Amino acid sequence: DTGVSQDPRHKITKRGQNVTFRCDPISEHNRLYWYRQTLGQGPEFLTYFQNEAQLEKSRLLSDRFSAERPKGSFSTLEIQRTEQGDSAMYLCASSSPEAGRAGEQYFGPGTRLTVT
Amino acid sequence: AQTVTQSQPEMSVQEAETVTLSCTYDTSENNYYLFWYKQPPSRQMILVIRQEAYKQQNATENRFSVNFQKAAKSFSLKISDSQLGDTAMYFCAFMNRDDKIIFGKGTRLHILP
Repeated sequence: DTGVSQDPRHKITKRGQNVTFRCDPISEHNRLYWYRQTLGQGPEFLTYFQNEAQLEKSRLLSDRFSAERPKGSFSTLEIQRTEQGDSAMYLCASSSPEAGRAGEQYFGPGTRLTVT
Repeated sequence: AQTVTQSQPEMSVQEAETVTLSCTYDTSENNYYLFWYKQPPSRQMILVIRQEAYKQQNATENRFSVNFQKAAKSFSLKISDSQLGDTAMYFCAFMNRDDKIIFGKGTRLHILP
């Protein structure tokens, strides 16, 4: 299966530690998105990339958060000095608007972060 | 700012029945996309159906269809002949030209045997 993959699937960390998540999009997709989903809520947009360029960042993305997509393929999302409020599911999605299916994003299984 | 509202936090229907999930949205844009995404328990989000705002014809995908009322900014999802596998969270979502999807809070749908 060549869908979107995310690693790790689960991460438990202590408050104040740094964590990094990885997302591997569908290989031919040039857009990659990060969302955060808390319990009982819909996903909230964090940031997205077109190839290696980060095009938009949500105000939800504080200066403790940084995302990269160095070669336009996989992406990493790092959270520094984690706080309990960072506990959530972090979802990655990818798309290829040029394929004529604008807006059709394919989601990964997510990384569930628990900050203790 | 665009918003998406799902007024039904949770619904239950018997297997084989038809169920309609409601969604309203707010935007000043004229060109946009609307979606319904499904998130089964402990599984990843998948796209159920997609509607382009400039198309008047309602989208259909097998047992799933939408009722798109652009003037009313309403976008409901109808599931016909519901199956146990339809049990999931359903998210209504909006996307304008900036390619950023805004999700509603979701409706938890239970299909009862």
